[in-house]
Amino acid sequence: EVQLVESGGGLVQPGGSLRLSCAASGFTFSSYDMQWVRQTTGKGLEWVSVIGTAGDTYYPGSVKGRFTISRENARNSLYLQMNSLRAGDTAVYYCARGSVSYSSSSGRVHQYYYMDVWGKGTTVTVSS
Amino acid sequence: DIQMTQSPSSLSASVGDRVTITCRASQSVSSYLNWYQQKPGKAPKLLIYAASSSQSGVPSRFSGSGSGTDFTLTISSLQPEDFATYYCQQTYSLPQWTFGQGTKVEIK
Repeated sequence: EVQLVESGGGLVQPGGSLRLSCAASGFTFSSYDMQWVRQTTGKGLEWVSVIGTAGDTYYPGSVKGRFTISRENARNSLYLQMNSLRAGDTAVYYCARGSVSYSSSSGRVHQYYYMDVWGKGTTVTVSS
Repeated sequence: DIQMTQSPSSLSASVGDRVTITCRASQSVSSYLNWYQQKPGKAPKLLIYAASSSQSGVPSRFSGSGSGTDFTLTISSLQPEDFATYYCQQTYSLPQWTFGQGTKVEIK
């Protein structure tokens, strides 16, 4: 069974740090991009970071410079190091697998990216 | 950043109804548009990718259409298990893959 299980969430004070983990099983972890998506209470979804199979990383401006995504293929594990945490970072953090569908038209190849497997999430609360 | 705006924010419908949810992008995202379903306390579930391609295992009553800036998710005949919140997401612009604010489908 394809599965993602997050851990490491908890209560942390503003300015503090936390490291989230995501354990993958049931698929070849090293062959997929992986990402983190968060959801604030009662609000919507926000993409947080992605790491490619080659280790390339991307972040939105809201977390760039504070969060670091990494992966350990030998352990089928994904991580998110979160530093300088703020109240606004309080959310449920999901680990998700990225997949790509390819199509060609007009001599051009399109790569359609989507998140097809999600974990159940881990809750991070930033509060004094 | 590309902003994604869904309408309506919520709707009430009955079992058997045809339901349409709209997602509009602040600039063209071509067909780089996905739809997800989320039930309370659960993770999002992929329904549609590349604007109109159905994810394996998703019931055929769910369909997606559109390109450029305007997209639609249609549920042809609403079932009890379809009451949930639906989100669109653009994956055209990295590193800012944005979601819509969600559309909550409730029982009338």
